[in-house]
Amino acid sequence: GQQVMQIPQYQHVQEGEDFTTYCNSSTTLSNIQWYKQRPGGHPVFLIQLVKSGEVKKQKRLTFQFGEAKKNSSLHITATQTTDVGTYFCAGNYGGSQGNLIFGKGTKLSVKP
Amino acid sequence: DAGVIQSPRHEVTEMGQEVTLRCKPISGHNSLFWYRQTMMRGLELLIYFNNNVPIDDSGMPEDRFSAKMPNASFSTLKIQPSEPRDSAVYFCASSLRGGYTFGSGTRLTVV
Repeated sequence: GQQVMQIPQYQHVQEGEDFTTYCNSSTTLSNIQWYKQRPGGHPVFLIQLVKSGEVKKQKRLTFQFGEAKKNSSLHITATQTTDVGTYFCAGNYGGSQGNLIFGKGTKLSVKP
Repeated sequence: DAGVIQSPRHEVTEMGQEVTLRCKPISGHNSLFWYRQTMMRGLELLIYFNNNVPIDDSGMPEDRFSAKMPNASFSTLKIQPSEPRDSAVYFCASSLRGGYTFGSGTRLTVV
């Protein structure tokens, strides 16, 4: 079946360092979404990317969608302790909302 | 808006018992999703509804699982009989377009 692979599984950084998580699909995506889940919490929607090569920024977060619409990345500049949590990408394959497939997530820990 | 509301927040039950999880989506959202989250398998889509109609239940693990959405403001996920391997966090999410809004989840423990 369709799968969305996400790496790395874990990332430990010192506060102030940058962080990147990558998402990859073997087949073309209709769009991709990113979520953040704090420890003990629920996934919270961050952003949706639709267009090939799209780049969107939210303060220190930069989201990219690959030209082939098969991969995506989330980059956080100068991490803070508030960035701690698990970041999930979720790929939509068919345009139908029910086809949203979540990656396994990247768990980010930030050492102050 | 109170967001997506799930109940109960925690449920501990004995193997073989029936468990019912409840969800109230955001008013106006026309899609509702049930997900299960475990360490091993991550977030798995169990079933989703569009305009109260079940569209895809291929993620429902077995016949022991059933879900209903009798109206636009309420859905249930039932497990009967429950087994220890059903222990997980169950999330309900709703959406109109774009991103999903998740509830706080129900942490189910079957002993």
